[in-house]
Amino acid sequence: QKEVEQNSGPLSVPEGAIASLNCTYSDRGSQSFFWYRQYSGKSPELIMFIYSNGDKEDGRFTAQLNKASQYVSLLIRDSQPSDSATYLCAVGYSGGGADGLTFGKGTHLIIQP
Amino acid sequence: ETGVTQTPRHLVMGMTNKKSLKCEQHLGHNAMYWYKQSAKKPLELMFVYSLEERVENNSVPSRFSPECPNSSHLFLHLHTLQPEDSALYLCASSQGPGQGTDTQYFGPGTRLTVL
Repeated sequence: QKEVEQNSGPLSVPEGAIASLNCTYSDRGSQSFFWYRQYSGKSPELIMFIYSNGDKEDGRFTAQLNKASQYVSLLIRDSQPSDSATYLCAVGYSGGGADGLTFGKGTHLIIQP
Repeated sequence: ETGVTQTPRHLVMGMTNKKSLKCEQHLGHNAMYWYKQSAKKPLELMFVYSLEERVENNSVPSRFSPECPNSSHLFLHLHTLQPEDSALYLCASSQGPGQGTDTQYFGPGTRLTVL
């Protein structure tokens, strides 16, 4: 059984601070890792993907992957109220091709002005 | 909005009705997916199509029937649904096999209510 675990929150962070979102996964064969943002009533929107151990930065977002610990995280710097949303962690197994993703339940993030 | 469109955006149907959900992707992708999102549950993979062949059926009841006539279009035919099937149904697409990435892009979803 492939599982992806996230703290459902809500996680409340002051505006301008760093928001840290965490995710663990059960299948050691996992090869691709994704963070999606989902606003209420909307569909998931891709934020970042990461395949290799270490950090990957894109603007205010940094994804971190540690395959040995089966742990993925997303850091959001200089948090803005518009970052308030549910963040979904997703895991893929083929690293390419057609492969359904396994999602966590999501972490509800609230950025307080 | 992404390059993946879904119609209708909202659907209310009775348990004896037959309806279809439509998905179209304009990204030149070769793989398409159906997911179900229910309240307080993670997104659940339903079906995967790669190059118009069904490659995964995730133990979905037969009252849901997918169809993929070409790499740009995906349908989900619904019949004799139950109230617990009420959910947001999301279509996604990705580049597909041999393309080096399985990044999936989602459509806006169809909000289905079964009475």
